[in-house]
Amino acid sequence: ETGVTQTPRHLVMGMTNKKSLKCEQHLGHNAMYWYKQSAKKPLELMFVYSLEERVENNSVPSRFSPECPNSSHLFLHLHTLQPEDSALYLCASSQAWNTEAFFGQGTRLTVV
Amino acid sequence: QKEVEQNSGPLSVPEGAIASLNCTYSDRGSQSFFWYRQYSGKSPELIMFIYSNGDKEDGRFTAQLNKASQYVSLLIRDSQPSDSATYLCAVIMFSGGYNKLIFGAGTRLAVHP
Repeated sequence: ETGVTQTPRHLVMGMTNKKSLKCEQHLGHNAMYWYKQSAKKPLELMFVYSLEERVENNSVPSRFSPECPNSSHLFLHLHTLQPEDSALYLCASSQAWNTEAFFGQGTRLTVV
Repeated sequence: QKEVEQNSGPLSVPEGAIASLNCTYSDRGSQSFFWYRQYSGKSPELIMFIYSNGDKEDGRFTAQLNKASQYVSLLIRDSQPSDSATYLCAVIMFSGGYNKLIFGAGTRLAVHP
């Protein structure tokens, strides 16, 4: 098993659809993150969970809704997205606030 | 001012040369610094971290940190075509009551035979 696993790897959805991205980490870490990577832009931190509590929202639109049911799993629920939301969505985890983060393979999302 | 700045490149070097990648950051209080490598279509992969001023070597990679100048760099010796990728500098910054791992936009490195 890889350290951080994301599913699905690719997702195409219409603007009226509802879908969810899933992330699972097998590293025993206690913090998990969602990042968005658009073309030619830096990785944008969307959400941070520490010990299953959300500690960062970072002004993300409400059409993105995170969920962290336990320290190993993280979801990103999507609804009524816009074409500009098309991007690579990356999940990461770390052991503590000031240590390195390890990334999953990402979900390539296309909104049509 | 961007929080973490990198030249976008591309930085083109011949095989066997030294590639030098640079990064500056805005938060003087930052203590933890990372370099990630990202191949096209893949997720970022951690290659180095550095916490103290000076140099840190790991194989062909050397990270250099100068906190007074708020500058961190990555040297890749004996560059290989397989090193061609985008290199992301990341810094942990304290903002809004929390530590955040903030990334630069990345420098694209092209190593040509």
